[in-house]
Amino acid sequence: DTGVSQDPRHKITKRGQNVTFRCDPISEHNRLYWYRQTLGQGPEFLTYFQNEAQLEKSRLLSDRFSAERPKGSFSTLEIQRTEQGDSAMYLCASSLASGGPFYFGPGTRLTVT
Amino acid sequence: KQEVTQIPAALSVPEGENLVLNCSFTDSAIYNLQWFRQDPGKGLTSLLLIQSSQREQTSGRLNASLDKSSGRSTLYIAASQPGDSATYLCVQFGNEKLTFGTGTRLTIIP
Repeated sequence: DTGVSQDPRHKITKRGQNVTFRCDPISEHNRLYWYRQTLGQGPEFLTYFQNEAQLEKSRLLSDRFSAERPKGSFSTLEIQRTEQGDSAMYLCASSLASGGPFYFGPGTRLTVT
Repeated sequence: KQEVTQIPAALSVPEGENLVLNCSFTDSAIYNLQWFRQDPGKGLTSLLLIQSSQREQTSGRLNASLDKSSGRSTLYIAASQPGDSATYLCVQFGNEKLTFGTGTRLTIIP
């Protein structure tokens, strides 16, 4: 059981740069979710996929954020023109169905300087 | 809008004690519920899943119960250990999205 993996685990970038994160869900899990968590807060929903289809995107997500899951397996989350407010832990989760269970990856910690 | 509240927000207990963490919902027509733990700076680790048709689940020293009529779930930890120190989150989900509880930060005192 390889679990959900995320890469990189840590990313430090300067304001204005673009960054891309990758999430590999558990094999055969057709649902994949992205969440963002800031220090001391609970996770905030960003977007989710059913196979390759992006079914919902949070209104919290500005047009600087884009996510893809081109083959219904791994997913990427890109942030363009990063801002200091983007500094957070980005969490990915997957499940086989809407009824769960859900499994989270270790997260990617982004620091924008 | 579904809201999930966890009480207490923080809890410190001596090692070896049994403890209960509480989770409540504004919408009693919940679907499924999952308990997670999160260590500082880490991702979420799944502990127990209770489907809406179930009343409780057990794994080792952990027991989670679900009472849909009152919109409450509890996580019971027996014989607590310092390694149990973490933030515990209950998460309700159905249809499409997860609703996270506010979390309980647990500290086990050696």
